[in-house]
Amino acid sequence: NAGVMQNPRHLVRRRGQEARLRCSPMKGHSHVYWYRQLPEEGLKFMVYLQKENIIDESGMPKERFSAEFPKEGPSILRIQQVVRGDSAAYFCASSSGANSPLHFGNGTRLTVT
Amino acid sequence: DQQVKQNSPSLSVQEGRISILNCDYTNSMFDYFLWYKKYPAEGPTFLISISSIKDKNEDGRFTVFLNKSAKHLSLHIVPSQPGDSAVYFCAARANAGGTSYGKLTFGQGTILTVHP
Repeated sequence: NAGVMQNPRHLVRRRGQEARLRCSPMKGHSHVYWYRQLPEEGLKFMVYLQKENIIDESGMPKERFSAEFPKEGPSILRIQQVVRGDSAAYFCASSSGANSPLHFGNGTRLTVT
Repeated sequence: DQQVKQNSPSLSVQEGRISILNCDYTNSMFDYFLWYKKYPAEGPTFLISISSIKDKNEDGRFTVFLNKSAKHLSLHIVPSQPGDSAVYFCAARANAGGTSYGKLTFGQGTILTVHP
């Protein structure tokens, strides 16, 4: 009974490269959320997706960031042309319904050098 | 604009005593509140929640109290155990036009250390 799986656990990118973070929700969960935690801060909502649909992307930076949750396969958070300020822990969470509790993965720690 | 605030960055408690973690919020649209526990290098784990229609919810050693007039909630852990040492996050969810989902606003967290 696997939980939310995120990979990679650690990702190092040079400035200007692309970062792809993957999230496989818990079995049976069709709602996926991405959160970002900057150093010394709490988690901040980025985007809420259901299969093939972006429901709420109000927390996503306007440029360079995108997310998808295709019909088959994991959800992907993509950051183009990374900058040092993108260094953070990115957490994915899933739920079985819109009002159901969130189950978080262990996060991907992105370091931009 | 920090809508959920945990003003104590850290708390140190002796094993067996009570731990009280506090959280204040500013958004009147918040209708559901949660506490998460987080160990280093892991994701947050759900602990306990409370709806705005209640003022107390209890689950084993954990009790959450909500004071809506003061826009304040607290988490009580009694008795505290060394395994409770972790970062505790308060989170809140807003009811937006009758719909709500897992868009949570988190506080900055409080590091709890329980000494044996």
